Amino acid sequence: ETGVTQTPRHLVMGMTNKKSLKCEQHLGHNAMYWYKQSAKKPLELMFVYSLEERVENNSVPSRFSPECPNSSHLFLHLHTLQPEDSALYLCASSQVTGTNNYGYTFGSGTRLTVV
Amino acid sequence: KQEVTQIPAALSVPEGENLVLNCSFTDSAIYNLQWFRQDPGKGLTSLLLIQSSQREQTSGRLNASLDKSSGRSTLYIAASQPGDSATYLCAVSSGGYQKVTFGTGTKLQVIP
Repeated sequence: ETGVTQTPRHLVMGMTNKKSLKCEQHLGHNAMYWYKQSAKKPLELMFVYSLEERVENNSVPSRFSPECPNSSHLFLHLHTLQPEDSALYLCASSQVTGTNNYGYTFGSGTRLTVV
Repeated sequence: KQEVTQIPAALSVPEGENLVLNCSFTDSAIYNLQWFRQDPGKGLTSLLLIQSSQREQTSGRLNASLDKSSGRSTLYIAASQPGDSATYLCAVSSGGYQKVTFGTGTKLQVIP
């Protein structure tokens, strides 16, 4: 493992289901991120948390709801998703000091399929 | 707005060949640049991180260079192996939490 652990690795859910993705980092980093990666598209930043406070929300639909209970854990709660939300969801962490971001560490991702 | 381009989008080489992957960015006011590899369906694995004050970084068969003034970085892979087959992405940090821009990647195939 890379120091950032994501569960589950794979998830299939119906459009009316509610599920959650979990991310845990053991690196002592002060920022955590959710990214979406769809086929043949660049990585899309969804949410950024710094010291448990959300600092960025890139116009993500409300059917995605993040939660950061402490600096080591990050969740992404999912409800009433659409088939186009099927993608690889990646969690990352980094250490940010002032304006410098000292590089990302990514988890292995959750492959989400919405049926 | 920072834009990051990686050319070529795909590359196929015979095993043992030395190769260079390119990453170009439009705004030279960066803090660092990071190279990743991604295997199909997996997360991103960090390969090298170059701070803006550095010109290059090396790890094993990998060497990454950075030329801020021309907005370019290269990843050199020596003596390529089939296990190097993956998609390689570069990410440019322009500061802070959210100002990291990723390229679309170069898909590398090393043929035995």
